[in-house]
Amino acid sequence: DAKTTQPNSMESNEEEPVHLPCNHSTISGTDYIHWYRQLPSQGPEYVIHGLTSNVNNRMASLAIAEDRKSSTLILHRATLRDAAVYYCILRDSTGGGSNYKLTFGKGTLLTVNP
Amino acid sequence: DTEVTQTPKHLVMGMTNKKSLKCEQHMGHRAMYWYKQKAKKPPELMFVYSYEKLSINESVPSRFSPECPNSSLLNLHLHALQPEDSALYLCASSQEQVRGGTEAFFGQGTRLTVV
Repeated sequence: DAKTTQPNSMESNEEEPVHLPCNHSTISGTDYIHWYRQLPSQGPEYVIHGLTSNVNNRMASLAIAEDRKSSTLILHRATLRDAAVYYCILRDSTGGGSNYKLTFGKGTLLTVNP
Repeated sequence: DTEVTQTPKHLVMGMTNKKSLKCEQHMGHRAMYWYKQKAKKPPELMFVYSYEKLSINESVPSRFSPECPNSSLLNLHLHALQPEDSALYLCASSQEQVRGGTEAFFGQGTRLTVV
């Protein structure tokens, strides 16, 4: 599986934007970039995913570098409820077999200060 | 309904007990997963079922026995566990053709303590 590298932790202030980076230099052309987050004492929660173009949804934006070797998850206005571990994960877009895996790395622990 | 429901939420069992964890989804997903998560660590994949058939077993010890009786239900049978098996057990589901572009939905987990 292609690997991702994220900072262990980041800190933000409430109502300010947060940019969470992810490096994936060995990404293949068929890999989607997924982000999940896990709030304390809860199961992981899907945030956003993309392939090549930048993506927006109600939770966040995903900015993908032109060479696709890195991406950034953007929370436009952090709230205390956004404090969580954020995982950047690559998933192959071809079907079957090991592509059913969703393999978590260590993730980034985001702390939001009031 | 985008929920994955896991029961029980908490379970304490002795090393000689037999117990089962249950997971249910009604989203029509045909891939279902079991993960194990130790404190302050990321979830680790244990098993994947695709169309009610075991697709992936990540070399999990036989004291963990998964079962998928139908497309909505996933069980994890536990027998002769060790204290180090204490963890949060997470269930997830996703559409049949994952193809990288679909998301997985997770339950809230079962907090298992082996005494």
